[in-house]
Amino acid sequence: DAGVTQSPTHLIKTRGQQVTLRCSPKSGHDTVSWYQQALGQGPQFIFQYYEEEERQRGNFPDRFSGHQFPNYSSELNVNALWLGDSALYLCASRKQGNMNTEAFFGQGTRLTVV
Amino acid sequence: AQSVTQLGSHVSVSEGALVLLRCNYSSSVPPYLFWYVQYPNQGLQLLLKYTSAATLVKGINGFEAEFKKSETSFHLTKPSAHMSDAAEYFCAVSGGEGNKLTFGTGTQLKVEL
Repeated sequence: DAGVTQSPTHLIKTRGQQVTLRCSPKSGHDTVSWYQQALGQGPQFIFQYYEEEERQRGNFPDRFSGHQFPNYSSELNVNALWLGDSALYLCASRKQGNMNTEAFFGQGTRLTVV
Repeated sequence: AQSVTQLGSHVSVSEGALVLLRCNYSSSVPPYLFWYVQYPNQGLQLLLKYTSAATLVKGINGFEAEFKKSETSFHLTKPSAHMSDAAEYFCAVSGGEGNKLTFGTGTQLKVEL
């Protein structure tokens, strides 16, 4: 079992550009959440996808959008990048409806905006 | 709304000493509480979780935490620290199964010889 996989592991973008981050959930999981972890901070919830729809959203602007595909994989898109978007972006997956399943995290994508 | 406060951004202990990392929570509903560990350049790994069953929760790597409603606390302990425990630890709360996690700002644990 490969667990949660994220790609790419690192990338550098310029202010104003757009970026797409990808996440493949752990086998058997159908719900994907995205978190932003700025340097020295705890992760902040961006949004959660289940059945290809955004189910919950944190306090992030509309520049942050996402998508979930029929195979449960997910993308996070950020438009008009700011320097402040530089962070580690974490994807977490779980199985909906099962009280005993935990959320598994990927190793993250380190985004640097210059 | 839920929130957690982690007291002490940096904690240093000697190898073999007790580890105590503090977490206090605020929640308008019965909380689910979690402790995660993050090693450098890694994602988060779940150490343990409280979901309204036993108040003393045992986790991996010898860690445990006790839910104290009267103190709104969920402190993480380990009787004897090991060098491999050096990492960043995050306390998190959610309002229920499947809900988003709200994390604290983290505690960096240093273990010295």
